[in-house]
Amino acid sequence: DGGITQSPKYLFRKEGQNVTLSCEQNLNHDAMYWYRQDPGQGLRLIYYSQIVNDFQKGDIAEGYSVSREKKESFPLTVTSAQKNPTAFYLCASSMGPRDRPYGYTFGSGTRLTVV
Amino acid sequence: SQQGEEDPQALSIQEGENATMNCSYKTSINNLQWYRQNSGRGLVHLILIRSNEREKHSGRLRVTLDTSKKSSSLLITASRAADTASYFCATDYGNNRLAFGKGNQVVVIP
Repeated sequence: DGGITQSPKYLFRKEGQNVTLSCEQNLNHDAMYWYRQDPGQGLRLIYYSQIVNDFQKGDIAEGYSVSREKKESFPLTVTSAQKNPTAFYLCASSMGPRDRPYGYTFGSGTRLTVV
Repeated sequence: SQQGEEDPQALSIQEGENATMNCSYKTSINNLQWYRQNSGRGLVHLILIRSNEREKHSGRLRVTLDTSKKSSSLLITASRAADTASYFCATDYGNNRLAFGKGNQVVVIP
């Protein structure tokens, strides 16, 4: 079945550690996105990528980094510079040119907790 | 940042009733989309309405778009307990990214 797989489902990080969240899709989608979700604040865009080897900062990119070396994969690293990383992280992908818009397909999320 | 804003924030209804929620946005859009999120899960795309469309249906869902008022509504008819979820509107401003609202929590009581 086609879809997006995020792993792990739960992740615990110690202060000062970097951690990497995995996002893999087999939908042949060109675009991929990372969102952060906090209670009562909806989804906020961290980074997005429209094509392999290219990505752009979203609204809250500070303290995060990404790579897009393969079309299928868009890992997110939460660095020690991110002061409040505890949140629910969602990865999404989409396809289609601008004149035939499609909705996003989301993964099931990774819940990151700082301990 | 520009993003949709849903109203009301929380809604509790009896099974079989209709649920209506609204979303407003700030500037011109290419399209507006609605998503559902069950607790602790990812979002699921429900329906997309383009800026040149006024109404769209999908099963028990009905979406309207009023570009003059910069607002959209999502109607769920004959609600079921399984419709209990959070519902988000998302606006496409044509910059290759969606802006999501804060979400509506809908509880359907059996």
